[in-house]
Amino acid sequence: SQQGEEDPQALSIQEGENATMNCSYKTSINNLQWYRQNSGRGLVHLILIRSNEREKHSGRLRVTLDTSKKSSSLLITASRAADTASYFCATDGSGGGADGLTFGKGTHLIIQP
Amino acid sequence: AAGVIQSPRHLIKEKRETATLKCYPIPRHDTVYWYQQGPGQDPQFLISFYEKMQSDKGSIPDRFSAQQFSDYHSELNMSSLELGDSALYFCASEAGASYNEQFFGPGTRLTVL
Repeated sequence: SQQGEEDPQALSIQEGENATMNCSYKTSINNLQWYRQNSGRGLVHLILIRSNEREKHSGRLRVTLDTSKKSSSLLITASRAADTASYFCATDGSGGGADGLTFGKGTHLIIQP
Repeated sequence: AAGVIQSPRHLIKEKRETATLKCYPIPRHDTVYWYQQGPGQDPQFLISFYEKMQSDKGSIPDRFSAQQFSDYHSELNMSSLELGDSALYFCASEAGASYNEQFFGPGTRLTVL
């Protein structure tokens, strides 16, 4: 499987519920970033978590990182219709700077009003 | 706040033609990344530059070349275009090539006919 795979591939929930997306990766990382993308649009940076961090919060977002399991999760609390989008995790290499990110396949989240 | 600027936003070319995509990073960002996202695919890293020097190389075809100029803007040159080159091309910028957040531009949608 590829570096940075998300599951589930698709998730449909009711507005107000919490949404959890998971990401797994294979190699060592310096950091892991989560992005949101509305259909055919740009990638919006949500949050970056470094390899020495275990949890990070930003507004309604909570990200966890477990480097021993090479996995991360993104929790969106109190979901809104506007949260409908694809969510990608992306990992950097553990080489030198300016490493390109490796993206997962993404989770398509649908919030039902 | 200023964001990454990409031009053009849309481009239509014929097979075997050439195309040049431009990217203007966030002010004071010295690192630029190029990504390609095919329909329904995750973004794939192409190439990166730090302080006007090529830094990392991903799955960039030999038909493509890129450079970063003294004002830190970057151009992606694509020759002998193929139908399979139709995709969204994103540029991202980062401050310092230090495993910081990569901020993405809105993308250029290239259609090859």
